[in-house]
Amino acid sequence: ETGVTQSPTHLIKTRGQQVTLRCSSQSGHNTVSWYQQALGQGPQFIFQYYREEENGRGNFPPRFSGLQFPNYSSELNVNALELDDSALYLCASSQGLGDYGYTFGSGTRLTVV
Amino acid sequence: AQSVSQHNHHVILSEAASLELGCNYSYGGTVNLFWYVQYPGQHLQLLLKYFSGDPLVKGIKGFEAEFIKSKFSFNLRKPSVQWSDTAEYFCAVNALSGGGADGLTFGKGTHLIIQP
Repeated sequence: ETGVTQSPTHLIKTRGQQVTLRCSSQSGHNTVSWYQQALGQGPQFIFQYYREEENGRGNFPPRFSGLQFPNYSSELNVNALELDDSALYLCASSQGLGDYGYTFGSGTRLTVV
Repeated sequence: AQSVSQHNHHVILSEAASLELGCNYSYGGTVNLFWYVQYPGQHLQLLLKYFSGDPLVKGIKGFEAEFIKSKFSFNLRKPSVQWSDTAEYFCAVNALSGGGADGLTFGKGTHLIIQP
């Protein structure tokens, strides 16, 4: 079975720009969640999509938005980038709402300059 | 909202030493509990998980963890560590009362260094 794949692996953006990160979930998984991991910290929950609808959100502003597609892949969009948005963005997929555990991708390293 | 506390941010051990990493969470309801490991340059990998049943759970690579409900703890143990266990270890909680919609709440991680 294929795991969770994320693209791109690295990205450099300028403050104020917009960015889209992509995630393909593991085969058979219908739930995707996104996390932000700042340097030296644990991942922080951004939001979760289940069957194409957002069904949970962490403490992140509305400029963080997302989508889930019919094939359960997902996008994370961040508008009006700020320097503090520099982090590793992780995507995780699961079968259902986490009852079977989460599989993580390798992440996208976003640097905002 | 739930929170997770990992007591040790940096741990240095010699090979063959025993390991115990502490994890406490704050949440009054039912939870699923996880330990993830992040080897240098690699993605988060699931070590073990507790959903229900026997509070002593065994994971990959000889790791185990014990869920003590009265102490809100889920400590990770390994009787004899190897140099290859050098990594970042994260404890995580998923609160079930929200239908799993709150995602995982992670601790800040423990950086484990094993000296040969």
